[in-house]
Amino acid sequence: QSVLTQPPSVSGAPGQRVTIPCTGSSSNIGAGYDVHWYQQFPGTAPKLVIYGNTNRPSGVPGRFSGSKSGTSASLAITGLQAEDEADYYCQSHDSSLSGVLFGGGTKLTVL
Amino acid sequence: QVQLEQSGAEVKKPGASVKFSCKASGYSFTSFYLHWVRQAPGQGLEWMGISKLSGDTTRYAQKFQGRVALTRDASTSTVYMELSSLRFEDTAVYYCARGRLQTGYDLSFWGQGTLVTVSS
Repeated sequence: QSVLTQPPSVSGAPGQRVTIPCTGSSSNIGAGYDVHWYQQFPGTAPKLVIYGNTNRPSGVPGRFSGSKSGTSASLAITGLQAEDEADYYCQSHDSSLSGVLFGGGTKLTVL
Repeated sequence: QVQLEQSGAEVKKPGASVKFSCKASGYSFTSFYLHWVRQAPGQGLEWMGISKLSGDTTRYAQKFQGRVALTRDASTSTVYMELSSLRFEDTAVYYCARGRLQTGYDLSFWGQGTLVTVSS
């Protein structure tokens, strides 16, 4: 069981804004470790869409943004498009496990 | 450009070992950490360990300690993962991935994955 908690699914209509929360604890997000976010389509490797809590890699649309507060982080997608339908994972580091953690993943459905 | 090329699919019996590879190109091999992440069918991502290639050190997730070994061949820019005492639940796609920066944990570059099937 992942100690970074994400909802199994979220959905939104085209053009809308959706957010995907990632809830951690004092040993990971709350300890100040960075949160990164990945997008994954079926049968393909994950793609980094947010690094260091709020930063977008080159080539990732500005519709994607990240935030972090306390023991939680969030990925927001504005102006939702059909091509955004994918699985999304948060990632951080955990001091008690001395290793990297992934959230359980959230399936985004564009209605 | 950065590329991570992984070896082909494997089928193994329970209790056996499997060894597969990740060949890096397009950057200074020993300057960057290389991570390993696996994904069981229909499941999420699971971090397994890291090769800190500059000092040839490794660190493994607690869950896999004693059962996984990462080795490297700097002459061919290749990292190998060996997983022993295979169980049915080890059936997964195994990815190698590199961080954005030298000691990065934000995984910007990924291999295509190696499918390991454990079947009797």
